[in-house]
Amino acid sequence: EAGVTQFPSHSVIEKGQTVTLRCDPISGHDNLYWYRRVMGKEIKFLLHFVKESKQDESGMPNNRFLAERTGGTYSTLKVQPAELEDSGVYFCASSRTGVGNTIYFGEGSWLTVV
Amino acid sequence: GIQVEQSPPDLILQEGANSTLRCNFSDSVNNLQWFHQNPWGQLINLFYIPSGTKQNGRLSATTVATERYSLLYISSSQTTDSGVYFCAVVLLNSGNTPLVFGKGTRLSVIA
Repeated sequence: EAGVTQFPSHSVIEKGQTVTLRCDPISGHDNLYWYRRVMGKEIKFLLHFVKESKQDESGMPNNRFLAERTGGTYSTLKVQPAELEDSGVYFCASSRTGVGNTIYFGEGSWLTVV
Repeated sequence: GIQVEQSPPDLILQEGANSTLRCNFSDSVNNLQWFHQNPWGQLINLFYIPSGTKQNGRLSATTVATERYSLLYISSSQTTDSGVYFCAVVLLNSGNTPLVFGKGTRLSVIA
């Protein structure tokens, strides 16, 4: 079974530009999560989809971040306009519905805003 | 919310040495996972271990759920073990809520 895949693996953009990160979860996983680790700090939760619905978006830092999961399959996270403090690694994760399931992480998308 | 504390925050080892990393959590959990973030930023899942003991090569982990802690053992460390080790948990009876991460232990293995 393929794992969680993320694209791009690395992205360098200028302040003020737009970047869209994509995540393909493991097939059959209804839960999809976005996290990020910025400036060497801890890994912070951004939001949680159950199928195409946003279950919890309490971790989204501000309205420059927009996440979508049309059709309940892959998800995108758009940052517009990007700021310097958005630099970091953005992780996507997925899991099956049910208690105590392993949450599988992608390898991350490294974003550098210059 | 649930608190996750990892210790030590930083650790420097000579290649070949053994180490123990600790994760304390403030409430009962139904999911606990250990991860390794390598120097290239990739997050690698090491163990799913809400209770009991597991081993995978030079790594092993033990979670004592009743005492709310987990330990990650690294034996015969190698330079490729360097990076940050994270513990993350899901609160018991909270459904599919997200993992809550500790701040990590930064490990540097020197040749």
